[in-house]
Amino acid sequence: AQSVTQLDSQVPVFEEAPVELRCNYSSSVSVYLFWYVQYPNQGLQLLLKYLSGSTLVESINGFEAEFNKSQTSFHLRKPSVHISDTAEYFCAVKPLIGAGSYQLTFGKGTKLSVIP
Amino acid sequence: EADIYQTPRYLVIGTGKKITLECSQTMGHDKMYWYQQDPGMELHLIHYSYGVNSTEKGDLSSESTVSRIRTEHFPLTLESARPSHTSQYLCASSELSDRVETQYFGPGTRLLVL
Repeated sequence: AQSVTQLDSQVPVFEEAPVELRCNYSSSVSVYLFWYVQYPNQGLQLLLKYLSGSTLVESINGFEAEFNKSQTSFHLRKPSVHISDTAEYFCAVKPLIGAGSYQLTFGKGTKLSVIP
Repeated sequence: EADIYQTPRYLVIGTGKKITLECSQTMGHDKMYWYQQDPGMELHLIHYSYGVNSTEKGDLSSESTVSRIRTEHFPLTLESARPSHTSQYLCASSELSDRVETQYFGPGTRLLVL
């Protein structure tokens, strides 16, 4: 079984400041890792994913996440946030193989509020 | 990227009514999913389908039922709505991308049962 912990339920940050949204996971098998973003009144959109290879993955809108196997973490970062980044961010994992490999396990989400 | 449509977007209904939440996708994905999302909580999988005439229950017990008669359509039905069913319901479909099934979500249906 897998579990995902997002350590902060809410993160307020000033516009143009850097931000880090933390995600830790627990799993007995290797996993793929994902970050999804949910804008108000919308569904979840895939932001980025880690499958293998380079531990640093980037999205097209300036976010990046780094996989740290020893710390079982997949923190999301952005060096300079914009008002439009205000949203809720969900970390998720999916086992590579085995029963339940179709299933995503989500964290509870982190609400990012960008203050003008 | 998948185009996933859900209707209605918002629904307020009285206890005991039968409701069907619609979900359709235009990308021909075989796998589809229903999640339940409550504020401050994880998304929980309540149903999934590998293809036509294939449906399974997810980890979270749900009184809802689903059907998959056509690839593009995956409706969810509550025979008798109760206040405990108040939640947001998200539909998703997935495709194999970079060797992994990657899920794409619809906009959701917010259900309020009075």
